[in-house]
Amino acid sequence: EVQLVESGGGLVQPGGSLRLSCAASGFTFSSYGMNWVRQAPGKGLEWVSYISDSRNTMYYADSVKGRFTISRGNAENSVYLQMSSLRDEDTAVYYCARRHYNGWFYLDHWGQGTLVTVSS
Amino acid sequence: QSALTQPPSASGSPGQSVTISCTGTSRDIGGYNYVSWYQQHPGKAPKLMIYEVSKRPSGVPDRVSGSKSGNTASLTVSGLQAEDEADYYCSSYAGSNNVVFGGGTKLTVL
Repeated sequence: EVQLVESGGGLVQPGGSLRLSCAASGFTFSSYGMNWVRQAPGKGLEWVSYISDSRNTMYYADSVKGRFTISRGNAENSVYLQMSSLRDEDTAVYYCARRHYNGWFYLDHWGQGTLVTVSS
Repeated sequence: QSALTQPPSASGSPGQSVTISCTGTSRDIGGYNYVSWYQQHPGKAPKLMIYEVSKRPSGVPDRVSGSKSGNTASLTVSGLQAEDEADYYCSSYAGSNNVVFGGGTKLTVL
């Protein structure tokens, strides 16, 4: 069974940094690209970032470009999201999601999410 | 403001069909056949229901279907059941390695 478990969320001040982790199990992690998607409280979904299976391709939403960095450790079966220069509008539940084999932009398995709150 | 436009709510009685629309532009829905739909129950993670406009992942019932015409995609749920009550989000590839979502539609089974 595919499992994705996010961690690392919490309360951080504006301008601060936070690193999210997503531990994967139940599939060959090194064969799949991974995404991060966020959802502000009571709002819709927003795609954040993608990293390919071999780490040689990364994409970012314009809203986080230059502030967030996605990475992965295939030996650790984990994907990470380093967030810096955090703003109030980054407050959201952050989900990691596995890409579908038909396209990196289809997300076929999701974790339960970790809440990031940016507030002074 | 979301990139794709969905009605905030939709409803139907058990056994009926309901269709949810998702309107974009020629830069996203109209430009690619890369539309997907997700179901999200309260407090839960989203679930992929449709990809590539009309394909269903294994485990999704065939009473769920998707289509596209021009810049508008649609999700139809037939034979409504209580368990279908949830939020539904459309998504599309938007070029330049970007993905956009709709604002979501709350489906109520009356």
